[in-house]
Amino acid sequence: DSGVTQTPKHLITATGQRVTLRCSPRSGDLSVYWYQQSLDQGLQFLIQYYNGEERAKGNILERFSAQQFPDLHSELNLSSLELGDSALYFCASSVSESSYEQYFGPGTRLTVT
Amino acid sequence: GENVEQHPSTLSVQEGDSAVIKCTYSDSASNYFPWYKQELGKRPQLIIDIRSNVGEKKDQRIAVTLNKTAKHFSLHITETQPEDSAVYFCAAIRYLNFNKFYFGSGTKLNVKP
Repeated sequence: DSGVTQTPKHLITATGQRVTLRCSPRSGDLSVYWYQQSLDQGLQFLIQYYNGEERAKGNILERFSAQQFPDLHSELNLSSLELGDSALYFCASSVSESSYEQYFGPGTRLTVT
Repeated sequence: GENVEQHPSTLSVQEGDSAVIKCTYSDSASNYFPWYKQELGKRPQLIIDIRSNVGEKKDQRIAVTLNKTAKHFSLHITETQPEDSAVYFCAAIRYLNFNKFYFGSGTKLNVKP
């Protein structure tokens, strides 16, 4: 157990809908990262937050947005969902924005029907 | 942008043999190279990492080597065991003002008993 928690574990929704995925970092970690892993695909970095501020952006679609709250938990919002958004979404945390070690949560499996 | 290529995509070895997975990267500013192990349906777990100021690092049966000039790094697993069977991802990360994260496409390792 990495200490990073994600909810929900599974999410099934229809195209066009909007969902929110939640992540709580390890105690003491200030940085949160979001990744998307499609079926049989590698990890795609989406976005990083540090202490409430956006720090880096990867291949994140405009339909997706994220934020990190004062208590350091983070939410990833996915809107106007498409079939291709079905994937595992992982969050990871690290101690600081420049910490080299990231610890992954168990992931949220999103299925868009 | 950065491109991390990982080979092979699948690797099958006999228990007790060694396994080698190779990655190449294009961004010469990349300075941190972690390796993750992901078992089916589970989260990626950091198994070993190396920084750009080090050429080799070993942890029991696992070792990583880095050749900065050639921009490639490799994961070596010796005395493989069935529980080593998983997908392994390499990554090249550039920690500057804005962090850049790039993952390889993964190698599915199968260790046959």
